[in-house]
Amino acid sequence: DSGVTQTPKHLITATGQRVTLRCSPRSGDLSVYWYQQSLDQGLQFLIQYYNGEERAKGNILERFSAQQFPDLHSELNLSSLELGDSALYFCASSPTGTPYEQYFGPGTRLTVT
Amino acid sequence: GESVGLHLPTLSVQEGDNSIINCAYSNSASDYFIWYKQESGKGPQFIIDIRSNMDKRQGQRVTVLLNKTVKHLSLQIAATQPGDSAVYFCAEKEDNYGQNFVFGPGTRLSVLP
Repeated sequence: DSGVTQTPKHLITATGQRVTLRCSPRSGDLSVYWYQQSLDQGLQFLIQYYNGEERAKGNILERFSAQQFPDLHSELNLSSLELGDSALYFCASSPTGTPYEQYFGPGTRLTVT
Repeated sequence: GESVGLHLPTLSVQEGDNSIINCAYSNSASDYFIWYKQESGKGPQFIIDIRSNMDKRQGQRVTVLLNKTVKHLSLQIAATQPGDSAVYFCAEKEDNYGQNFVFGPGTRLSVLP
């Protein structure tokens, strides 16, 4: 168990809908990262937050957004969902000072039908 | 558990033998590399890292070799055990700002009894 929690574990929704994925980092970690893992594209970095502020952006679509709250949990919002958004979404957190030491949560499996 | 990368290259190794998993990276300017292990239904787990100013780094039962000339990374697992069965993938940090990692497609390691 990495100490990072993600909810829900599974999510099934229809095209055009909007969903919110939630992540709680390890106790004390200020950085949160979001990743998408699909069968055809592998693991892709989406976005990083540090202590409530956006720190880095990767291949995140404009239909996707994220935020990190004062209690350090983070949410990834996916809107106008398309079939191609079906994937595993992982959250990771890292301790301050060792940003490369990322601890991944168990992921949320999103299925868009 | 969740299936990741159903069509990944597979390496089958007899229990007790050594395993070598290879990764070709894309950017000669990448300065940091990580190997991850991902078991079915779980998030990626950090195994070992190496900086570009090193050629070799050893951990517990694992060794990472870096050949910058041909942009090649390998992970060696000594005395492979059934618990080593998983998908392994490398990640390279391409830029000097943030933590924007690019992940390889992965290799599925199957340990035979």
